[in-house]
Amino acid sequence: SQQGEEDPQALSIQEGENATMNCSYKTSINNLQWYRQNSGRGLVHLILIRSNEREKHSGRLRVTLDTSKKSSSLLITASRAADTASYFCATARSSNTGKLIFGQGTTLQVKP
Amino acid sequence: DADVTQTPRNRITKTGKRIMLECSQTKGHDRMYWYRQDPGLGLRLIYYSFDVKDINKGEISDGYSVSRQAQAKFSLSLESAIPNQTALYFCATSDSQQGRIPGGELFFGEGSRLTVL
Repeated sequence: SQQGEEDPQALSIQEGENATMNCSYKTSINNLQWYRQNSGRGLVHLILIRSNEREKHSGRLRVTLDTSKKSSSLLITASRAADTASYFCATARSSNTGKLIFGQGTTLQVKP
Repeated sequence: DADVTQTPRNRITKTGKRIMLECSQTKGHDRMYWYRQDPGLGLRLIYYSFDVKDINKGEISDGYSVSRQAQAKFSLSLESAIPNQTALYFCATSDSQQGRIPGGELFFGEGSRLTVL
């Protein structure tokens, strides 16, 4: 079964608004990562947050991690039409850190 | 040139045929992975290899086999393709020494779209 469950499955917003995507997982993790996929293309790594970190920033991206709730969120601020893509969380378990398990993803549409 | 190259990019085949998807990388990474992507199911891990002599099954290995011919090459085979193996297949790599963070960043190829009729 999937380690990561993402919510919502689809999100549509206007350019300039913020987009928030959530990810929940089931087992203890070493780190959690977020990836982006443009339609039909390969995934691109966005950000990694370790299990002992609570928040991390990269440009317009902000990721939070709550290990007590086994959840993470990805916030994209001031969204742009070019942010339209699917976003996936992936977890590296504490017991096997070399293997990443992906969630089903959130499809984000940013309307100009 | 892409760091992670998958061939073929698109393939249509018939039920029962043997298919091989190939992946090569120029990143010098030791770890390689094969995932399949289906609509609504995200990416599921088929096989992964931490070095040339190490092959491990993922979540959905039935019906698939792999070969790590060299550090830079990792191929996925479908011995007898069936229609429910129609999917988008991704190869990915990672570096076990990357920043000394286990389970570090994956680098993906552009995918191989396989259709089994």
